[in-house]
Amino acid sequence: ETGVTQTPRHLVMGMTNKKSLKCEQHLGHNAMYWYKQSAKKPLELMFVYNFKEQTENNSVPSRFSPECPNSSHLFLHLHTLQPEDSALYLCASSQGWTGDGYTFGSGTRLTVV
Amino acid sequence: DAKTTQPNSMESNEEEPVHLPCNHSTISGTDYIHWYRQLPSQGPEYVIHGLTSNVNNRMASLAIAEDRKSSTLILHRATLRDAAVYYCILRPVYNQGGKLIFGQGTELSVKP
Repeated sequence: ETGVTQTPRHLVMGMTNKKSLKCEQHLGHNAMYWYKQSAKKPLELMFVYNFKEQTENNSVPSRFSPECPNSSHLFLHLHTLQPEDSALYLCASSQGWTGDGYTFGSGTRLTVV
Repeated sequence: DAKTTQPNSMESNEEEPVHLPCNHSTISGTDYIHWYRQLPSQGPEYVIHGLTSNVNNRMASLAIAEDRKSSTLILHRATLRDAAVYYCILRPVYNQGGKLIFGQGTELSVKP
């Protein structure tokens, strides 16, 4: 248990489905992040939230829709995905204004069929 | 974003020390040096970070060059469980998010 919990751990969805990934942290952190990791590639930062406000969107397609209802929870809503969106989706949290480390979840392994 | 350069891969023998190098010649004064590692099919795990002085914790030591343009992560006695991809990242502070941008990292293999 890392302090950041992601559910589900594995998800298989069709291209016409709608699903959501959930991330939860109770570390008292005020920043949360979504990353995508495709096979054999570095992590790509997708979204950044500070104090529930989105502060960064790295040109992510609109079929990925993040939501941050409070500083402890982060969602990634998925709809009409493509097979190339299959990847490991990682959530992380940190104290956004300090130099301290990030805490990552174990990720959701997403397969789009 | 300030960049880092790491070797693609390194090998080590079990129970021997490992020195993982990182170059960051364009580091700015407010960049912290972070190290993370990632085991297969897991999220990255924080290892250590520092600003100017060398740092030690239960996992590793971080040696930072005096000019801060390079650093070395030191694993004092490698075990098979240390086989992972190690990322050296510069984290800017005093700006929103202090985002971490990952590179390719160094894949460390440990031989018994």
